[in-house]
Amino acid sequence: EPEVTQTPSHQVTQMGQEVILRCVPISNHLYFYWYRQILGQKVEFLVSFYNNEISEKSEIFDDQFSVERPDGSNFTLKIRSTKLEDSAMYFCASSAASGTGAYEQYFGPGTRLTVT
Amino acid sequence: DAKTTQPNSMESNEEEPVHLPCNHSTISGTDYIHWYRQLPSQGPEYVIHGLTSNVNNRMASLAIAEDRKSSTLILHRATLRDAAVYYCILLSIGTASKLTFGTGTRLQVTL
Repeated sequence: EPEVTQTPSHQVTQMGQEVILRCVPISNHLYFYWYRQILGQKVEFLVSFYNNEISEKSEIFDDQFSVERPDGSNFTLKIRSTKLEDSAMYFCASSAASGTGAYEQYFGPGTRLTVT
Repeated sequence: DAKTTQPNSMESNEEEPVHLPCNHSTISGTDYIHWYRQLPSQGPEYVIHGLTSNVNNRMASLAIAEDRKSSTLILHRATLRDAAVYYCILLSIGTASKLTFGTGTRLQVTL
């Protein structure tokens, strides 16, 4: 069964450093998402991406964040200068289509980001 | 976004059916009802979704009230592996399908 994969599973970084979280969505999916979950809190939407551009972003997704689909398979989330409060699990998701509410999203296992 | 209300927690015995309720009294005509779950230390997992009619898949059944103001996720025979937080989420047309997770229902399954 196809699945979304994410690397690394755990990333430790120092405050102020740049990190890139990587995701390989399901191969025929067209819509890509990043969510995060701070320990003990709700899963929060960060950004959605379609046709090489951002479709929607939350207020969390400020100028420190960027997303990219550098090739036909990878989808990345970059945090330019990490802060302590960026420590969280980051989940990538993909769906075959979007816009009508009729399509499910498939999530990866997540990357645990720890900022020290 | 239309809001959903779920009980904070529920318990079930293994091998018994589980009915997880969700209220969504402000649902609009084009909102789909989605259910996801999150097992401990894992990413969210799609369970099922529907619009107006009841739906069945290999994981669960979704029963939707006639007025669509509530729905029930049915696990026919709970196992220990079904212990998770279950989220009922409404997805609207034209929102790029971002999922807005609430606090969900934590399902505990005991032997």
